Amino acid sequence: KQEVTQIPAALSVPEGENLVLNCSFTDSAIYNLQWFRQDPGKGLTSLLLIQSSQREQTSGRLNASLDKSSGRSTLYIAASQPGDSATYLCAVSPYAGNMLTFGGGTRLMVKP
Amino acid sequence: ETGVTQSPTHLIKTRGQQVTLRCSSQSGHNTVSWYQQALGQGPQFIFQYYREEENGRGNFPPRFSGLQFPNYSSELNVNALELDDSALYLCASSTRLVPYEQYFGPGTRLTVT
Repeated sequence: KQEVTQIPAALSVPEGENLVLNCSFTDSAIYNLQWFRQDPGKGLTSLLLIQSSQREQTSGRLNASLDKSSGRSTLYIAASQPGDSATYLCAVSPYAGNMLTFGGGTRLMVKP
Repeated sequence: ETGVTQSPTHLIKTRGQQVTLRCSSQSGHNTVSWYQQALGQGPQFIFQYYREEENGRGNFPPRFSGLQFPNYSSELNVNALELDDSALYLCASSTRLVPYEQYFGPGTRLTVT
């Protein structure tokens, strides 16, 4: 059974810092990995998707990497802003089009 | 292009009652998945529908059931509500094309008292 763990569970940083969020998964046989952002009480916004054949994806100040063999992904946020404050979730899919297994999330607070 | 929509936004039910939640998929998306997210936890997969058939199910009892309609919209039905069913219910839609990215709706907050 796939298990996804996110460390740390919560993080508080001053504005402007570069930061790294970690995601690990127990079964390396994944099809893709997605990073999501969730604001309190709201739905999920897809940030980045990395297919199993890829090593990283970038969007603006966000960069996600994937090391499938070691079961790890990182989300790098450059020059953090208070508007980045949210919960960040990673999720993996075992094969094409199938269910996502989520980690517990990292709750990020960026202080002005 | 319209995104994924869900209704209602909030719902309060009593233990033992039944509830129906609704989801309209993003335009062009033919696959709908439902997730349950308890407070402070990551979402958990309930089931997925494709071409009006259940196409995978998570570890949820049979009192959780669903439907998908010809226009790809979907319903989640929960019978005999329990207090632990209180959660945010999320619907996600996708196509059957690479990279199979899932797009989520805003969710329905269900409170069971």
